[in-house]
Amino acid sequence: QITLKESGPTLVKPTQTLTLTCTFSGFSLSTSGVGVGWIRQPPGKALEWLALIYWNDDKRYSPSLKSRLTITKDTSKNQVVLRMTNMDPVDTATYYCAHSRAKSDYMDVWGDGTTVTVSS
Amino acid sequence: SYVLTQPPSVSVAPGQTARITCGGNNIGSKSVHWYQQKPGQAPVLVVYDDSDRPSGIPERFSGSNSGNTATLTISRVEDGDEADYYCQVWDSSSDPLYVFGTGTTVTVL
Repeated sequence: QITLKESGPTLVKPTQTLTLTCTFSGFSLSTSGVGVGWIRQPPGKALEWLALIYWNDDKRYSPSLKSRLTITKDTSKNQVVLRMTNMDPVDTATYYCAHSRAKSDYMDVWGDGTTVTVSS
Repeated sequence: SYVLTQPPSVSVAPGQTARITCGGNNIGSKSVHWYQQKPGQAPVLVVYDDSDRPSGIPERFSGSNSGNTATLTISRVEDGDEADYYCQVWDSSSDPLYVFGTGTTVTVL
């Protein structure tokens, strides 16, 4: 059974860097084709894809946020970390991590999400 | 950038059929995936690759995709189907690579 869980601060100040961790189980990020992605959802708004890292360390970013995002993985710890710099109140959202299985371009299992508020 | 347009809301009576559209330029040439999100919960994949269902998803959920419109159909709608639904595609030529639709709220009357 695949599970993912997001963790990180619930409140960050404007201009700070947000660091979120996705801890997963039930699969290995060293398995060919597998990926873990991050998606966010501002209150009352639609889903927005942020980034994805593949088993081979290939990384993809939303071009509109690419300059602010860094995604990394620690295969031995079963974790994926997302960093977002220069946080702004408009970045207030629920942040989800999700599993992408081999040879697919969708997210088949999602974490419960973590809510991040950006406020001074 | 590639845009996926969904109607903001769809209302349907219990037992009837709900159809949720997802419009995009030549979307029929892409694989479309659908997610269900109930209030306060994470999205759940209900249809992938246009018309396939993950295990555990009722057969009442089906999908189709042709031309400029993909459609998620929910047959014999139940109260528990009330949720937001999002379509999604992957487009290597677009900005961004993973594109979500604007979302549709399904209300069961």
